[in-house]
Amino acid sequence: SYELSQPPSVSVSPGQTARITCSGDKLGDRYASWYQQKSGQSPVLVIYQDDTRPSGIPERFSGSNSGNTATLIISGTQHIDEADYYCQAWDTTTRRYDFGTGTSLTVL
Amino acid sequence: QVQLVQSGAEMRPPGASVRLSCRASGFFFKDYSMHWVRQAPGHGLEWMGRVNLNRGVTEFAASFQGRVTMSRDTSVSTASMEMKSLTEDDTATYFCAREHLATAGYFDYWGQGAQVTVSS
Repeated sequence: SYELSQPPSVSVSPGQTARITCSGDKLGDRYASWYQQKSGQSPVLVIYQDDTRPSGIPERFSGSNSGNTATLIISGTQHIDEADYYCQAWDTTTRRYDFGTGTSLTVL
Repeated sequence: QVQLVQSGAEMRPPGASVRLSCRASGFFFKDYSMHWVRQAPGHGLEWMGRVNLNRGVTEFAASFQGRVTMSRDTSVSTASMEMKSLTEDDTATYFCAREHLATAGYFDYWGQGAQVTVSS
């Protein structure tokens, strides 16, 4: 199976930049997406195809993917951004869908 | 607007089966695949499999192969997932999520989730 590792938790002060990483073997060869999940709610897509933001997602969310690491960047983090974040990788050859272990973002 | 409305919570004894549904509206059904993702209490997301809503072709994660079936009824724009031989480890919230067949690889809308509890 393909493993995607995320830090269990990330803390940031309001207004600062939060960076959440997702590591997997040759992850840069796959498409990475990111989902935000608030407590008791369904996941919401915030980044797809490595760095594309869906309509309605604030510009402070951005993404990158290279080598073995994909990164979700939240600039000017706000209290409303407190949530769990999951990366997801898609292999275009095998058509595998894998989720990362998840990161709990705390805005102090 | 796009909506994925899932069936309600279910409770089953170990060894039983459960069938969940996901009714779609607000988009052209056959342009998508419907995926099922589960989340055990306090745990992360786990991809289970998908059904191509146009052709009905299915694919499953290895851990669910042979125990899960997925189907769709295009006449009522509904996808379904059935899991058999339930154990307490199957207690989780089950989500349906759509993926566009052309711009594949991610899930842009999710259902509200359905809680499945397996307990004797």
